[in-house]
Amino acid sequence: GDSVTQMEGPVTLSEEAFLTINCTYTATGYPSLFWYVQYPGEGLQLLLKATKADDKGSNKGFEATYRKETTSFHLEKGSVQVSDSAVYFCALRGLTGGGNKLTFGTGTQLKVEL
Amino acid sequence: GAGVSQSPSNKVTEKGKDVELRCDPISGHTALYWYRQSLGQGLEFLIYFQGNSAPDKSGLPSDRFSAERTGGSVSTLTIQRTQQEDSAVYLCASSLNSITEAFFGQGTRLTVV
Repeated sequence: GDSVTQMEGPVTLSEEAFLTINCTYTATGYPSLFWYVQYPGEGLQLLLKATKADDKGSNKGFEATYRKETTSFHLEKGSVQVSDSAVYFCALRGLTGGGNKLTFGTGTQLKVEL
Repeated sequence: GAGVSQSPSNKVTEKGKDVELRCDPISGHTALYWYRQSLGQGLEFLIYFQGNSAPDKSGLPSDRFSAERTGGSVSTLTIQRTQQEDSAVYLCASSLNSITEAFFGQGTRLTVV
């Protein structure tokens, strides 16, 4: 079945550092890919998405590129801020076989310090 | 409504009691999901409704768990004879259709004592 693997946290960075959170997936067909963010004490929010190979999703300075050849959707940001501290979840929406449900990774906690 | 609404926001129940959790999806959204998030854990899929199709119940952890969606809108997740391991945040999400992104509610924090 569909699965998502993302790097374990917590990831601790200094403000203005470069961020990469790795995400790889296994799915039948051509899934849509998503990054969700959960700020402390809040619900999950969609951060960005990509629906086909080579698409780049971007939002709030974060980017992720749908790489079918490496089945990856790594999240990047050039300069993180303290306010980016949150848990980040990679997810996929299978279009075949997986029945269209959203499958999530285990989440990566990001801590940004001054 | 403007977003996915879940009630109650917090629920404390005694072991062995039944509980019902409610989800009001975004108006017009045909897909509805339930997930469970235990402390420090990821999201565990429970059940998925899409339009009038039979729901995908493959994530329900035991026959104590059930869910229904009436009239293609409001959904209720029922947990019978609650156990302490059922303590978690139960999240509901909806999406416009089967391929678009999902929007999440704030969740119901269930504590079984």
